[in-house]
Amino acid sequence: DGGITQSPKYLFRKEGQNVTLSCEQNLNHDAMYWYRQDPGQGLRLIYYSQIVNDFQKGDIAEGYSVSREKKESFPLTVTSAQKNPTAFYLCASSRGTGGSYQPQHFGDGTRLSIL
Amino acid sequence: AQSVTQLDSQVPVFEEAPVELRCNYSSSVSVYLFWYVQYPNQGLQLLLKYLSGSTLVKGINGFEAEFNKSQTSFHLRKPSVHISDTAEYFCAVSEWGNEKLTFGTGTRLTIIP
Repeated sequence: DGGITQSPKYLFRKEGQNVTLSCEQNLNHDAMYWYRQDPGQGLRLIYYSQIVNDFQKGDIAEGYSVSREKKESFPLTVTSAQKNPTAFYLCASSRGTGGSYQPQHFGDGTRLSIL
Repeated sequence: AQSVTQLDSQVPVFEEAPVELRCNYSSSVSVYLFWYVQYPNQGLQLLLKYLSGSTLVKGINGFEAEFNKSQTSFHLRKPSVHISDTAEYFCAVSEWGNEKLTFGTGTRLTIIP
């Protein structure tokens, strides 16, 4: 079955450390997204990519970086510059360009905590 | 800029009773509207969507929502809830021509046996 796989499910970061969250999809979707979820704040967009080798900042991009070298993969790096990284991170994908009418499909998330 | 307001952060409902979860949006252009459900420690699952056409939209698990343009609302309803409906529900909006979704802050639905 097609879907979105996020790994790991749980991740711990030490102070000053960069960590990378994996997101892979086999839905043949063009667009991919990263969201951060905090209690009572809903989902906030970190970065999104509509095509390979291109991505745009979302509403809260500071302290994060991404790459989109393959259509299937959109890893998110949480850098040491992100001072409050503890959150639930969700990856999503959709058919993309010209398809804002296409709903986004979500992975099961990665919960990041600070040691 | 688009925005979404979910006024109720928590809604407790007795089992088999009806429920309505409220969602209002703000946008200067036409929009697409969505309801997602999130079970604990999982991602979001699409419940239903409004793209165009009939303002009454039916989704999975017996849920439905009605798009009201004049009141800029997209309330979610279910005539009889079950314990399995316990989850957090998110309303989201996307403006035509815009790839980005804007989410509300969520409503936690708790079913009381």
